[in-house]
Amino acid sequence: SQQGEEDPQALSIQEGENATMNCSYKTSINNLQWYRQNSGRGLVHLILIRSNEREKHSGRLRVTLDTSKKSSSLLITASRAADTASYFCATGANSKLTFGKGITLSVRP
Amino acid sequence: NAGVTQTPKFQVLKTGQSMTLQCAQDMNHNSMYWYRQDPGMGLRLIYYSASEGTTDKGEVPNGYNVSRLNKREFSLRLESAAPSQTSVYFCASSPAKVRGETNYGYTFGSGTRLTVV
Repeated sequence: SQQGEEDPQALSIQEGENATMNCSYKTSINNLQWYRQNSGRGLVHLILIRSNEREKHSGRLRVTLDTSKKSSSLLITASRAADTASYFCATGANSKLTFGKGITLSVRP
Repeated sequence: NAGVTQTPKFQVLKTGQSMTLQCAQDMNHNSMYWYRQDPGMGLRLIYYSASEGTTDKGEVPNGYNVSRLNKREFSLRLESAAPSQTSVYFCASSPAKVRGETNYGYTFGSGTRLTVV
């Protein structure tokens, strides 16, 4: 069963705009991670935020975590066509990393 | 390049046939995982291995067996393939030293696309 649920399921934006993706989960977690998957490829780890952290940055990525609302958001600033991919949130708990169903991001040139 | 290598990349099986999916990592990671990815279902954990010599069931282990041959290699075996096992299979690894530790990002292979007819 999926722990994280991403929202929206699909997002289409213009190059240069910011992209915001959300993830909600149901039970307590140790950490939350975001991954990117390009078409036909494996998943690539983007960023990990621990349950005692509220915000984390990595390059153009900004992740927030609100454990009281059991939700996280991934912000990609100044998007590029190369950011076109599927994005997954994954929650670490109970010895496992559980993935959501993913968000399809399309960045139009 | 360092990473996780999966073989084969593509495979077509007939119902009832058996096969082994191979996975090897060269990052000296302790933990290794097998996931399957189906449209609209995300990734689901089949089996994982926290260290050489140990394996544990994940969310969907039925119809599969695994072997942690050594620290580098973790194979997934389908003893009698069924059409429901048509999927993309991903192997992943992480540096986690303690059984059940998840505070590390996973490194994924490029996947094996399996079709069972």
